[in-house]
Amino acid sequence: GQNIDQPTEMTATEGAIVQINCTYQTSGFNGLFWYQQHAGEAPTFLSYNVLDGLEEKGRFSSFLSRSKGYSYLLLKELQMKDSASYLCAVLDSNYQLIWGAGTKLIIKP
Amino acid sequence: DTAVSQTPKYLVTQMGNDKSIKCEQNLGHDTMYWYKQDSKKFLKIMFSYNNKELIINETVPNRFSPKSPDKAHLNLHINSLELGDSAVYFCASSQDLAELNTEAFFGQGTRLTVV
Repeated sequence: GQNIDQPTEMTATEGAIVQINCTYQTSGFNGLFWYQQHAGEAPTFLSYNVLDGLEEKGRFSSFLSRSKGYSYLLLKELQMKDSASYLCAVLDSNYQLIWGAGTKLIIKP
Repeated sequence: DTAVSQTPKYLVTQMGNDKSIKCEQNLGHDTMYWYKQDSKKFLKIMFSYNNKELIINETVPNRFSPKSPDKAHLNLHINSLELGDSAVYFCASSQDLAELNTEAFFGQGTRLTVV
């Protein structure tokens, strides 16, 4: 079966750095997405990785290792507004998005 | 202008009723989707649809049916609602996901409560 694993919940302090991990086992791989979802709202796109390595976009960076079936999302200089769920999703060989359950990130002052 | 809009935002209805949720996108995308997000926060694909193909997740009961009057609309019809259908339903659209690095845009969600 296809599986995406992420921690259920993480807590971090305002101004700090946090890394949210995602491991996946899917039938084929055509890229990995990270989405942010605030409570009661729709998911919004953060990043896309298809090649190994680190993609940096402002305070957010996303890393991919295809051989390990592993990705992480790195958030720097955390702000209170970063409190949200972060969803990892993999595009499988049929170009279907397989979603993780999301990691709820709680930011404390 | 809202890129993907769905209505209603909240829907409370009794078991056994038939209901519809509407979705429209003004992005000119070729593909639209319906997702169900349950209480455990998993996003599960229900349908993906473009001009050429309707792909149905085989785990979706046939009480659920998508209807697409045109490329910009994909409505979700649900017959004989059951308590377990209570969830948040998200509509989304994208260009063909086979074109890599294509993000999906989501509607605001419809919170369906079946009582």
